[in-house]
Amino acid sequence: EIVLTQSPATLSLSPGERATLSCRASQSVSSYLAWYQQKPGQAPRLLIYDASNRATGIPARFSGSGSGTDFTLTISSLEPEDFAVYYCQQRSNWPPLTFGQGTRLEIK
Amino acid sequence: QVQLQESGPGLVKPSQTLSLTCTVSGGSISSGSYYWSWIRQPAGKGLEWIGHIYTSGSTNYNPSLKSRVTISVDTSKNQFSLKLSSVTAADTAVYYCARDGYCSGGSCYSQYFQHWGQGTLVTVSS
Repeated sequence: EIVLTQSPATLSLSPGERATLSCRASQSVSSYLAWYQQKPGQAPRLLIYDASNRATGIPARFSGSGSGTDFTLTISSLEPEDFAVYYCQQRSNWPPLTFGQGTRLEIK
Repeated sequence: QVQLQESGPGLVKPSQTLSLTCTVSGGSISSGSYYWSWIRQPAGKGLEWIGHIYTSGSTNYNPSLKSRVTISVDTSKNQFSLKLSSVTAADTAVYYCARDGYCSGGSCYSQYFQHWGQGTLVTVSS
């Protein structure tokens, strides 16, 4: 099973700041990694697929990078609605499909 | 636009079987090359993929749950279902159904989740 480790667990920033979230895989997942945003009481929303491609309707301030074992989700300038929990997910080697434990992005 | 809706009991007794159904609307469950997944999330914790089914009936399960999980599909009702046996308090979670696949610009990428149900809380307690 591929384990995804996200850091930091919590990130405290202010609107307008740049957010950098990390996801590290226990073995290479090539570029087969996605990022999701989850707000309280809601299902996750797909943001990025195959490491660097924005899903339909996702604002350009969200970008993804990386390959192999190290990946980054960057939010260039935080909007109030961006404060949420973010998960990475791999589809390289399954079953099982696996998710990271999440990074909580909170308002400073 | 595909929509998914989970349904089933919100309370299950320990050692019994959890049963949930996901109803798909806005399209046929048989159209396209999609798997249909179940994912769960304990309160305040992360996401755990339970397993998925193709409309042919082919399934894949999370090895950690495989001995207790059965996922089935009823194409005539546009539904797929989850059964989890011998439940304990550790199975208390919000259960989501989701379409396994993201499509854009004529290309599809399997095993990413674009369409989700709203989730249903299942509590295991006597």
